[in-house]
Amino acid sequence: AQSVTQLGSHVSVSEGALVLLRCNYSSSVPPYLFWYVQYPNQGLQLLLKYTSAATLVKGINGFEAEFKKSETSFHLTKPSAHMSDAAEYFCAVSAWEGGKLIFGQGTELSVKP
Amino acid sequence: EAGVTQFPSHSVIEKGQTVTLRCDPISGHDNLYWYRRVMGKEIKFLLHFVKESKQDESGMPNNRFLAERTGGTYSTLKVQPAELEDSGVYFCASSLSDRTTEAFFGQGTRLTVV
Repeated sequence: AQSVTQLGSHVSVSEGALVLLRCNYSSSVPPYLFWYVQYPNQGLQLLLKYTSAATLVKGINGFEAEFKKSETSFHLTKPSAHMSDAAEYFCAVSAWEGGKLIFGQGTELSVKP
Repeated sequence: EAGVTQFPSHSVIEKGQTVTLRCDPISGHDNLYWYRRVMGKEIKFLLHFVKESKQDESGMPNNRFLAERTGGTYSTLKVQPAELEDSGVYFCASSLSDRTTEAFFGQGTRLTVV
């Protein structure tokens, strides 16, 4: 069985500050891990994915995430927040790339000027 | 190349009525998934098609929901009769059968049952 927990339903940062969105997973098989972003009135867009290659994954818009097996974590970071990063972020796990996704509860990121 | 397309983008119906949502996956994608996000909750899996066959429908909430994928192309999700708790955003996603790419999502259909 697989599950995902995102810590914090709302995160607020100042523009230029570090963004850290937390995700912990549980999986009985080697996981494939994803971060998706949803901007207002838009669909889900893939930010980045872990597919058992490099543990540090770089995505679009300056985001990156590190897979830590010992901590069962896949936290999303960005060194400097931009106003355009305000959106809802979802962490998800799957048993294979392109497979059924189990999502976390989502974290809404607000960026203050 | 066209992405995953969902119709309609919004639908408002009365309790007891029927609504049909449509998803056109990316051409050549054999895997098609339906997900739903009810207000304030996480995005939940509904079902998975491989071509025209239902591979996994463990997430379908009840027998008021019927999904089809005739010919292995587009898919429809019918809710009949709709209840208030069916309100939410319904997402469709598709992926290749060779498991080499992630799933691509449509923009979702926002369903409001009043």
